[in-house]
Amino acid sequence: KQEVTQIPAALSVPEGENLVLNCSFTDSAIYNLQWFRQDPGKGLTSLLLIQSSQREQTSGRLNASLDKSSGRSTLYIAASQPGDSATYLCASDSSYKLIFGSGTRLLVRP
Amino acid sequence: GAVVSQHPSRVICKSGTSVKIECRSLDFQATTMFWYRQFPKQSLMLMATSNEGSKATYEQGVEKDKFLINHASLTLSTLTVTSAHPEDSSFYICSASRDYNEKLFFGSGTQLSVL
Repeated sequence: KQEVTQIPAALSVPEGENLVLNCSFTDSAIYNLQWFRQDPGKGLTSLLLIQSSQREQTSGRLNASLDKSSGRSTLYIAASQPGDSATYLCASDSSYKLIFGSGTRLLVRP
Repeated sequence: GAVVSQHPSRVICKSGTSVKIECRSLDFQATTMFWYRQFPKQSLMLMATSNEGSKATYEQGVEKDKFLINHASLTLSTLTVTSAHPEDSSFYICSASRDYNEKLFFGSGTQLSVL
């Protein structure tokens, strides 16, 4: 059974700092790995999707990497801004089902 | 990008009543939609997979008679929480994608509070 873990659970950084969020999964037989953003009381916004054959994906200040062999993915946020404050979730897709981590709550202080 | 609309955004109901939540893909056809539930400070948990024109597939531990899912068209899936109880209070989110292995687009969620 796939288990997805995210570290740290919470993170507070000053504006402008580069940061890394970590995601690990137990079953490397995944189709893809996705990162989402969730604002309080709201739905999810898909940030990046990395196919199993890919190593990374980039979108603006976001870069996500995937290492299937070690069961790890990272989300790198460059030059963080207060507007980046949210909960970031990673999810693995093993059989057309997403298994979510518990998320990292990020606070970017002005 | 694709838009998934979910209504209502918030509902408060009395114990024993039924609540229907709608999930619509506004600008694409979604053969499959997914329903998730999220308790406070916990991760999203997949409840069921909704396939157009067929019965939904429920995850282990999810009562199919309590959480009725109907996917009548390629753009609409509904989740009905029947005889809701306070322990059903949660945040419910639907999602859909155009095709297999494509990005999932999520609705804005429904906060259900059962008194």
